[in-house]
Amino acid sequence: NAGVTQTPKFQVLKTGQSMTLQCAQDMNHEYMSWYRQDPGMGLRLIHYSVGAGITDQGEVPNGYNVSRSTTEDFPLRLLSAAPSQTSVYFCASSYSPRTSSTPGNTIYFGEGSWLTVV
Amino acid sequence: AQKITQTQPGMFVQEKEAVTLDCTYDTSDPSYGLFWYKQPSSGEMIFLIYQGSYDQQNATEGRYSLNFQKARKSANLVISASQLGDSAMYFCAMREAYGGSQGNLIFGKGTKLSVKP
Repeated sequence: NAGVTQTPKFQVLKTGQSMTLQCAQDMNHEYMSWYRQDPGMGLRLIHYSVGAGITDQGEVPNGYNVSRSTTEDFPLRLLSAAPSQTSVYFCASSYSPRTSSTPGNTIYFGEGSWLTVV
Repeated sequence: AQKITQTQPGMFVQEKEAVTLDCTYDTSDPSYGLFWYKQPSSGEMIFLIYQGSYDQQNATEGRYSLNFQKARKSANLVISASQLGDSAMYFCAMREAYGGSQGNLIFGKGTKLSVKP
């Protein structure tokens, strides 16, 4: 998964603590997004961004904050961690799907972050 | 309504045999892409194969092929000559160019494939 750096890989939090998952890409991609993966649920979209300064909510945004001050970085913030946020988190980046006649396959994933909230 | 449906939570296949993993999708966007990802026990998402909605031929990548039936909205993954290393979770996903998903991937719930020696 060259090009998308996601940190940390593992983290244990206590309920109520805050933390930030970092995501950076060096491919000048417009699109960046955060997904969470829970058993039996596939990957669900938390927040996404279509460019610097532009963010929007996905399917499961509650409890998370994002910002996109630069093209390269898209951090995900947990403001007050809850056990329900125990999950595996993936960051992804890509070019806009509208840059070609059909959405291309240039979607890159970070290696994932395993978060446990106790 | 689910946009990506994978009806097989788990499947077994004998080593060296072929296996088909099912995926149906729902979209009204004429421009979309279909993806298959493999997720081994180590957790990373590995891209396997891609099919564009305007592609005339079924995609193939080595032992992987995508059986694309546009009228049926079906995008099944075929793995030929299964290997023990193919044991993993497999996800089907769709990306619409102009639909409500705003260019993000929509994932199915996955199929866990186990290859028996």
